[in-house]
Amino acid sequence: AQSVTQLGSHVSVSEGALVLLRCNYSSSVPPYLFWYVQYPNQGLQLLLKYTTGATLVKGINGFEAEFKKSETSFHLTKPSAHMSDAAEYFCAVGSGTGGFKTIFGAGTRLFVKA
Amino acid sequence: DTGVSQDPRHKITKRGQNVTFRCDPISEHNRLYWYRQTLGQGPEFLTYFQNEAQLEKSRLLSDRFSAERPKGSFSTLEIQRTEQGDSAMYLCASSLVQAGANEKLFFGSGTQLSVL
Repeated sequence: AQSVTQLGSHVSVSEGALVLLRCNYSSSVPPYLFWYVQYPNQGLQLLLKYTTGATLVKGINGFEAEFKKSETSFHLTKPSAHMSDAAEYFCAVGSGTGGFKTIFGAGTRLFVKA
Repeated sequence: DTGVSQDPRHKITKRGQNVTFRCDPISEHNRLYWYRQTLGQGPEFLTYFQNEAQLEKSRLLSDRFSAERPKGSFSTLEIQRTEQGDSAMYLCASSLVQAGANEKLFFGSGTQLSVL
């Protein structure tokens, strides 16, 4: 069975500050890991994904995430927050091809203060 | 690429009524998914189609729910005898699955259902 835990339902940062959104997963098989972003009144958009290979994954809008197997973590970071980053972020785990096998976390809402 | 579109964006209905939602996937995509998202939660898988065949259904999908994708293009999700617990955002996603390639889901903006 697979599961995802996102630590913190709300995170608030100042514009220009580091963004860190935490995600821990549980998986009995090598995981595929994803981060999605959801802006108000819009669908989910894939930010980045880890399947195999390099553990540091770079995504769109300056975000990146590092897969740490020993810590079962896949935290999302961005060096400098922008007002436009304010949104809800979802971490997800899958076991391969097949969206039906993708399990989403509860989400973390990011607030960016001017 | 016009993206995944869902209709309607919002639906308000009374308990006991039937509702139907429509999803138009990206035209060349062969897989189509339905998810449900409640407040404060991530999307939960409901069902998916490979072309016109419905291949998987979640236990969340009670007998009151039915989904179709008659020609392998658009899909409909019907909820009969709606209950207040059905109030949620219903998301549709599509993907193009090809041998040897990782699947990427494209989501629509969702249909927000409110059952009074």
